[in-house]
Amino acid sequence: AQSVTQLDSHVSVSEGTPVLLRCNYSSSYSPSLFWYVQHPNKGLQLLLKYTSAATLVKGINGFEAEFKKSETSFHLTKPSAHMSDATEYFCVVSDLTGFQKLVFGTGTRLLVSP
Amino acid sequence: DAGVIQSPRHEVTEMGQEVTLRCKPISGHDYLFWYRQTMMRGLELLIYFNNNVPIDDSGMPEDRFSAKMPNASFSTLKIQPSEPRDSAVYFCASTAGRNTEAFFGQGTRLTVV
Repeated sequence: AQSVTQLDSHVSVSEGTPVLLRCNYSSSYSPSLFWYVQHPNKGLQLLLKYTSAATLVKGINGFEAEFKKSETSFHLTKPSAHMSDATEYFCVVSDLTGFQKLVFGTGTRLLVSP
Repeated sequence: DAGVIQSPRHEVTEMGQEVTLRCKPISGHDYLFWYRQTMMRGLELLIYFNNNVPIDDSGMPEDRFSAKMPNASFSTLKIQPSEPRDSAVYFCASTAGRNTEAFFGQGTRLTVV
């Protein structure tokens, strides 16, 4: 069975500094990995996804993530944080084979200070 | 397409009452997921369907919860009888197949008093 662990429940950064949101996964098979963002009182929006192509994946709003099989990690990064980035982020795993069961991590709340 | 449509957006009901949440997935999508989000437990996968067939309902918390997908364009999640601990935001999502983006509805905020 697949699972994800988001190592930090909260991450605080200053505007203009780099962002790192950590995610480790567990999967019996080759995984698909996603990062979703949830803005207050709204649904969830896809930031980026990895599905066995390039290991460095670029997403919207300047975010990117690198798939590292040896470390079973899929950390989300952004070179320079913006105030509008402050919200909740979810790492999601699904097995590439079989049925697509999307399993969410517990989420990381990003706080951005001026 | 209007996206995944959930109704109602908000539901307040008394303990013991039956609650039915509705979801219309994006046309052509063959997967449908029901999630529950609470502060304590985060986003939990309750059940998912592929081509209208329930594949995994291991996340359904109790027999009080049931879900159906009578056709490709409609699904319901029913709670009978409802309890205060069922209060949460319930999300429906659909995808066009494996490894594709899941599109989420706006959610139904359920409050059981």
